[in-house]
Amino acid sequence: GAGVSQSPRYKVAKRGQDVALRCDPISGHVSLFWYQQALGQGPEFLTYFQNEAQLDKSGLPSDRFFAERPEGSVSTLKIQRTQQEDSAVYLCASSLRQAPDTQYFGPGTRLTVL
Amino acid sequence: LAKTTQPISMDSYEGQEVNITCSHNNIATNDYITWYQQFPSQGPRFIIQGYKTKVTNEVASLFIPADRKSSTLSLPRVSLSDTAVYYCLGPYSGAGSYQLTFGKGTKLSVIP
Repeated sequence: GAGVSQSPRYKVAKRGQDVALRCDPISGHVSLFWYQQALGQGPEFLTYFQNEAQLDKSGLPSDRFFAERPEGSVSTLKIQRTQQEDSAVYLCASSLRQAPDTQYFGPGTRLTVL
Repeated sequence: LAKTTQPISMDSYEGQEVNITCSHNNIATNDYITWYQQFPSQGPRFIIQGYKTKVTNEVASLFIPADRKSSTLSLPRVSLSDTAVYYCLGPYSGAGSYQLTFGKGTKLSVIP
């Protein structure tokens, strides 16, 4: 595709459920990033992949959050035992080269935990 | 990482030029200044990046004075479709700089 795509666009989960959010980066992009954006705030960094290697996961808020990119392309952000404070928009971005490089963002997945 | 400070919100009439200033007092020697734009229900979009003096593209201009402690994003003749949040990001160099730090941004409202 022409840009970064994310699915689903909207996800409603009951507290305690596990969710999986998918990101399809721009084809050929080496770097992939996940961000969390709370309402009225700017995006906050979660984790960074260079190809399949997760080079930085310092922004993941707890061990309930897990991200993977097994083949260096599609990435999945998994949240286990969701809590209400996990409600946010989760943004994925990719860049052609290894960071730092211009990041191209997807539309995000809005997660609502009830 | 360099911290940036920008106004929370700005209003402008259609057709006017809008200047949004960002301060980044402790910017490092190798840091670039980058601006992103975000519309509701969309991810941020890269607008422009610069290191010093002036950079211009089809969307905006970026002015960075010699001391590099601030920068100004200039949007010529704004239209209603320019209503968005504009983020100034400081760090874009060196180890760990892939962590884009957004802050709250400036919410620009363009009025008819």
